[in-house]
Amino acid sequence: NAGVTQTPKFQVLKTGQSMTLQCAQDMNHEYMSWYRQDPGMGLRLIHYSVGAGITDQGEVPNGYNVSRSTTEDFPLRLLSAAPSQTSVYFCASITGASEAFFGQGTRLTVV
Amino acid sequence: SQKIEQNSEALNIQEGKTATLTCNYTNYSPAYLQWYRQDPGRGPVFLLLIRENEKEKRKERLKVTFDTTLKQSLFHITASQPADSATYLCALEGVDSSYKLIFGSGTRLLVRP
Repeated sequence: NAGVTQTPKFQVLKTGQSMTLQCAQDMNHEYMSWYRQDPGMGLRLIHYSVGAGITDQGEVPNGYNVSRSTTEDFPLRLLSAAPSQTSVYFCASITGASEAFFGQGTRLTVV
Repeated sequence: SQKIEQNSEALNIQEGKTATLTCNYTNYSPAYLQWYRQDPGRGPVFLLLIRENEKEKRKERLKVTFDTTLKQSLFHITASQPADSATYLCALEGVDSSYKLIFGSGTRLLVRP
């Protein structure tokens, strides 16, 4: 039982490049979320999903896309990377009792 | 706008003392309030959840209080240890936003031996 697995752990992108951050969970949770964490700003919600095929925007969705084709996977796509997207990204899988399990994070640098 | 505030200054205490961290919120009607621990380079780890109709929750050396009138939660660690040093985050889930957790920016706790 691996919990929440995020890949890659580190990534450097050039401005304008696109990429997908992967997130997978093996706990059969319906609810999953993506957050970014910046110094002094805490965790900010980007997108979330309440089940396969259902996604919605969080606080800071611009520049990001998500999809949820299976219960297990919730990838986050950066369409055209910008330096403002330099951050640490966390994926969370949430139980029916609202307890969130987080992945180890992806540290992204956009140059 | 909705706001969650935690003290941005680190809390520095002596081992054995009780650490008390504060989470205040405005323009929010939370159904649940949660506390998480985050170590450097790691994802947050769930500690405790308290519901809007609960005043207090305990788990081992941890205690959380929730005052919906003051719009405040207090998080206590009794008999603190250096291993308790970490950043502690509070998170709210609104009555109309099931499973959509909004986080405060966290307070760093340093426990001196």
